[in-house]
Amino acid sequence: GAGVSQTPSNKVTEKGKYVELRCDPISGHTALYWYRQSLGQGPEFLIYFQGTGAADDSGLPNDRFFAVRPEGSVSTLKIQRTERGDSAVYLCASSVVHGGRAAETQYFGPGTRLLVL
Amino acid sequence: GDSVTQMEGPVTLSEEAFLTINCTYTATGYPSLFWYVQYPGEGLQLLLKATKADDKGSNKGFEATYRKETTSFHLEKGSVQVSDSAVYFCALRRGTLTFGKGTMLLVSP
Repeated sequence: GAGVSQTPSNKVTEKGKYVELRCDPISGHTALYWYRQSLGQGPEFLIYFQGTGAADDSGLPNDRFFAVRPEGSVSTLKIQRTERGDSAVYLCASSVVHGGRAAETQYFGPGTRLLVL
Repeated sequence: GDSVTQMEGPVTLSEEAFLTINCTYTATGYPSLFWYVQYPGEGLQLLLKATKADDKGSNKGFEATYRKETTSFHLEKGSVQVSDSAVYFCALRRGTLTFGKGTMLLVSP
């Protein structure tokens, strides 16, 4: 079956611009996660959705970052007034939920590589 | 806060050599532990996991044992192949995943 998909695969933008990154989770996966992976580092947690609501947004670095999941499937990560330091690979992952708890195994998408010039 | 420390790479081995990639963690409570692998040009994939102390995760010839007393989850493989060349990430989960920085493995024929 289809895995997690992310679009675009690459995005180049200029400092100060607004960008949107899209994630399509595996069908039926209620839990959705966003991570950011800077060069030479491991992924860092940004935000976790269970259904339509953000259950944990403690990883968002500042108020320029925002994410939505209005219908409980596709999610969009939005970055306002981009800075060069936002350049990274943005990863999305999804998992099933059992009894109100997200399963241990998360399935990752290929990521969107964002470059801010 | 939670953290994961893994050995720096790259780790360079010849085919059929024995592999160890060290991983230690700091966390309150009893997290689940994972190894993820990222092959060139591909996304992160779960390699193996262990959810409680003394559990051994295994997959594709790789093994790791959850050692609570040493807070470690070292990855091992008895005989590596060229196709094992990838970046390996150790991670813990208490709610969300916390990853180490990754260790690149390069296996030559």
